[in-house]
Amino acid sequence: GENVEQHPSTLSVQEGDSAVIKCTYSDSASNYFPWYKQELGKGPQLIIDIRSNVGEKKDQRIAVTLNKTAKHFSLHITETQPEDSAVYFCAALRGPSGNEKLTFGTGTRLTIIP
Amino acid sequence: NAGVTQTPKFQVLKTGQSMTLQCAQDMNHEYMSWYRQDPGMGLRLIHYSVGAGITDQGEVPNGYNVSRSTTEDFPLRLLSAAPSQTSVYFCASTGQGDNEQFFGPGTRLTVL
Repeated sequence: GENVEQHPSTLSVQEGDSAVIKCTYSDSASNYFPWYKQELGKGPQLIIDIRSNVGEKKDQRIAVTLNKTAKHFSLHITETQPEDSAVYFCAALRGPSGNEKLTFGTGTRLTIIP
Repeated sequence: NAGVTQTPKFQVLKTGQSMTLQCAQDMNHEYMSWYRQDPGMGLRLIHYSVGAGITDQGEVPNGYNVSRSTTEDFPLRLLSAAPSQTSVYFCASTGQGDNEQFFGPGTRLTVL
């Protein structure tokens, strides 16, 4: 089955600096890669996703890059703000839809230092 | 829309007790899933359902049962709770043809 590794497990950055979280996956047939943000006491929430036919996707201060050859993808947050502090999860899915086989990474706790 | 709702928010059980974690969604989503979240281990899939009347096992199904009698509801049953089942449980749903999973707020379960 799919195996997703996520690094680092914790990350602290100064407010205004950039943060990068990296994930690798094992199943070359995986074709959908979402990133979720989990705030304290809440469920994860999708913040950005990318499909295997795209190399990069950007949404305001958040971007995701995908390298299919190396089987890794990364989350980039620029101009970090205190509200970016949360736990971030990457995931990988093989299949067209449904997410019944979505495999998650182990999470990165991001702390923004004011 | 209320989205995905879960009850209760917190629960303490004694070893051997049984209970049902409730999950409901009002988005007419076909796919529903149950995950457990443990420190340093991310989210692990327990059971999932691709539609009413259809359920299947995920990565860590032992000790849990599910049923899906309606599109809206997907309860998770612990028949005989064990301390190893202490965790935070999340229910999620996805629309057919879509990929985005919508998560509920979670249930924090402690088994003594």
